[in-house]
Amino acid sequence: GENVEQHPSTLSVQEGDSAVIKCTYSDSASNYFPWYKQELGKGPQLIIDIRSNVGEKKDQRIAVTLNKTAKHFSLHITETQPEDSAVYFCAAANNAGNMLTFGGGTRLMVKP
Amino acid sequence: DSGVTQTPKHLITATGQRVTLRCSPRSGDLSVYWYQQSLDQGLQFLIQYYNGEERAKGNILERFSAQQFPDLHSELNLSSLELGDSALYFCASSVDPGARYGYTFGSGTRLTVV
Repeated sequence: GENVEQHPSTLSVQEGDSAVIKCTYSDSASNYFPWYKQELGKGPQLIIDIRSNVGEKKDQRIAVTLNKTAKHFSLHITETQPEDSAVYFCAAANNAGNMLTFGGGTRLMVKP
Repeated sequence: DSGVTQTPKHLITATGQRVTLRCSPRSGDLSVYWYQQSLDQGLQFLIQYYNGEERAKGNILERFSAQQFPDLHSELNLSSLELGDSALYFCASSVDPGARYGYTFGSGTRLTVV
């Protein structure tokens, strides 16, 4: 089955700096890669996703890149703000009707 | 509001007791997933239902069971509760049995076993 590794497990940045979270996956058939943000005491919320037919996707201050050859994808947050502090989860799935496989999560702390 | 409704939001119960957590999926979604999240841990998949049928099982204890009803709401039953069962329990839903369009999560039920 699919295995998703996520790094780092914790990340502390200064407000205004950029943050990068990286994930690797094992199943070369995976073609859908969402990212979820979980704020304290709340459920994970989808913030951005990418499919394997594109290499990069942007939405304001967040972007996701995908390298299918290396089987890794990354979340980039620019100009970080305190409200970006949360736990971020990456995930992967394929077209075979399989479920999402989640990474272990990254706790991002943005210091004012 | 994500459209996935979980009740209750908080639950405090004693060891050895039994509780039922309820989830109503987003309108139009046929698949329901249950996840357990212990303190500072990741999302541990428990079980999936699609259109009333069990579709996949994860690390779900024998003391736990679930079902999805004809109106598509789902219930997770936890029995003979232990202190270690204290956690956040999330329900998520999706339109298809897989993850082509991602999941929508509810806000969770925080279970505290004392």
